[in-house]
Amino acid sequence: DIQMTQSPSTLSASVGDRVTITCRASQSVSSWLAWYQQKPGKAPKLLISKASTLESGVPSRFSGSGSGTDFTLTIISLQPDDFATYYCQQYDDYSTFGHGTKVEIK
Amino acid sequence: QVQLQESGPGLVKPSETLSLTCTVSGGSINNNYWSWIRQPPGKRLEWIGYIYSSGSTNYNPSLKSRVTISVDTSKNQFSLKLHSVTAADTAVYYCARGRIVSTNLFEYWGQGTLVTVSS
Repeated sequence: DIQMTQSPSTLSASVGDRVTITCRASQSVSSWLAWYQQKPGKAPKLLISKASTLESGVPSRFSGSGSGTDFTLTIISLQPDDFATYYCQQYDDYSTFGHGTKVEIK
Repeated sequence: QVQLQESGPGLVKPSETLSLTCTVSGGSINNNYWSWIRQPPGKRLEWIGYIYSSGSTNYNPSLKSRVTISVDTSKNQFSLKLHSVTAADTAVYYCARGRIVSTNLFEYWGQGTLVTVSS
């Protein structure tokens, strides 16, 4: 199966910072890559699909890029509501998730 | 707005069968893909499998031998059975809806239900 590796595992940042999370697939997933945001005790929320397509209602400070095996989620000007855990997911071959990146307050 | 709600026992004994049901409201279960996903405490999300409203299924190969997903369109529900459970199956279990064009892209989720496997 396709393994997904995220880095970093934890990221300390301040409101207003630019934040970048990376995700690497063990083999090419083309652009079949999604990003989810999860807050404690809540279900994940789909933010980005097909590597770079922003879902309806998601703020434009979120963006995704990449294809093949290497992907990036960027949040420009981090807001208080953005402190959460972020997961990448490949949906090219079945579905597998990364281990998550926790964005915490610095 | 589509809403999903998981229900079922929160405690299951080792070697027994875990059974959960997901009730869909605000939309029809027909012509959609419905998945089960789980998250062990402190660990990553794991896709378990999906069912199409017609009854066709697709399971995670690592769980395939123990999983059964079924659908009851008359009740707008689908269900998960996981057989021969162990402590490693302790997790929050989510039901979710996949997109037609991308069956494993999950846009609607239930709130999740914690199932603990313990004697």
